[in-house]
Amino acid sequence: SYEVTQPPSVSVSPGQTASITCSGDRLGDTYTCWYQQKPGQSPILVIYQSTRRPSGIPERFSGSSAGNTATLTISGAQTLDEADYYCQAWDGSSVVFGGGTRLNVL
Amino acid sequence: EVEVVESGGGLVQPGRSLRLSCVVSGLTFSDYAMHWVRQVPGKGLEWVSGIGSKNDHIAYAESVKGRVTISRDNAKNSIFLQMNSLRLEDTAFYYCARGGQLMLLAADWYFALWGRGALVTVSS
Repeated sequence: SYEVTQPPSVSVSPGQTASITCSGDRLGDTYTCWYQQKPGQSPILVIYQSTRRPSGIPERFSGSSAGNTATLTISGAQTLDEADYYCQAWDGSSVVFGGGTRLNVL
Repeated sequence: EVEVVESGGGLVQPGRSLRLSCVVSGLTFSDYAMHWVRQVPGKGLEWVSGIGSKNDHIAYAESVKGRVTISRDNAKNSIFLQMNSLRLEDTAFYYCARGGQLMLLAADWYFALWGRGALVTVSS
């Protein structure tokens, strides 16, 4: 089955830029989405169609895609951005989620 | 304000059945595909099933194919997930989520709005 890979954790200091990657051998042929999930809460869509930001999501969240790697960038990360982040794609027949990346802002 | 509310979770024995429901308010329900996504507590996300806005397209994950049936009632702004032959590994929070407007384009395969989830526990 198709898989996408994320790093288990990323750490940044407040105000720094955090980058979370998602890699898969067919990501270049589809769109990637990103979700934020804080403990005890439901996921929130923060990026869809690889680069688009839903209304209400702060501008510091951005998405990009190059080759078979998609990247979620949080510019000027804040402590409230500490959460698990999941990438997701559709391979033409099924949905695949990455294993999640714990973002530590400390 | 858009609201997504799941119900029907609970404790069920292996091999038995359970039906989850999801009611959506605050949007034109019949304009959007709807999906079920599950999450074992403390683990990652797994898509389960999706249904097109007009019941025109249905898809299932391989892990549940043949055991679950998704349906929707646009008159009641609701979707359902009938789960049969439940297994221990089906234990999870089941989230209802609003998708894009279609299910035929990669651009529409995202989950924009999520409910709070319904916990299904399969145990003897």
